[in-house]
Amino acid sequence: DAMVIQNPRYQVTQFGKPVTLSCSQTLNHNVMYWYQQKSSQAPKLLFHYYDKDFNNEADTPDNFQSRRPNTSFCFLDIRSPGLGDAAMYLCATSRDIRELLTDTQYFGPGTRLTVL
Amino acid sequence: TQLLEQSPQFLSIQEGENLTVYCNSSSVFSSLQWYRQEPGEGPVLLVTVVTGGEVKKLKRLTFQFGDARKDSSLHITAAQPGDTGLYLCAGAGGANNLFFGTGTRLTVIP
Repeated sequence: DAMVIQNPRYQVTQFGKPVTLSCSQTLNHNVMYWYQQKSSQAPKLLFHYYDKDFNNEADTPDNFQSRRPNTSFCFLDIRSPGLGDAAMYLCATSRDIRELLTDTQYFGPGTRLTVL
Repeated sequence: TQLLEQSPQFLSIQEGENLTVYCNSSSVFSSLQWYRQEPGEGPVLLVTVVTGGEVKKLKRLTFQFGDARKDSSLHITAAQPGDTGLYLCAGAGGANNLFFGTGTRLTVIP
C-alpha cells in the first residue's frame, strides 16, 4: 500500500504559469519534506514542515512556496515556473526530527515537472 | 553545508561482476543511509548504519560505515540487472535533514 502519494506523477506547465504539486501520507508522520531533483543529481532539499512549523532552506528561491493544511497533506506551489525549474519533485516524510539518529525518510514516487 | 562525495559517479558493469561504491565526507555523521532510486521513482531506503565500523549485509549488498563515521561503502557481489539504478548515500548530521551524496548511477548489463 502506498504510504507517500504524490499527484500528479507528471505535470506540464507553461513558463510563468503557477503550478501546485500535491503530497499526501498515510504514515501520520510529523515531518514532511520537499526536494527538487534534476537529472542524474542528488535530491536538493527545498523546505520541510515539522508539524505546522515551516523551515525554509536558505538557498530556496522565493518562487517556491509550501502549504501544509493538516498532518496528511503538503503542497508545493511554484508561483512563476521558469525553464530551470523543470525537475523531479520528491516529497518525503519522517516520524520525528528528534529521533533522526535512526530515523528514516520515506519518499513518494515524485512528480516530474516539465516547463514549456 | 556537509558535503558527501560519491565515487564513481557512473559505473557500467557486466552481470555477475562485483563492484564497490564509495561515499566520503570530511564531516562526521550520526548515521548514514543508503538509498536506491530507479528511473521515474523516489529513492527507497536500503540500509541505515549508525555505529562507526558497522557492517550490514542485505543479500548480495554489504554496507560499511567508517570507523570515524565520515565515510561509507557499498559492495555488491555478483551484480544483477535488477541492481541497476541511482545509488545515493545520505548522512544525518544531527540537524533536521539528510545531506545527500552526489550519487552513483549503476548499469548492470545482462
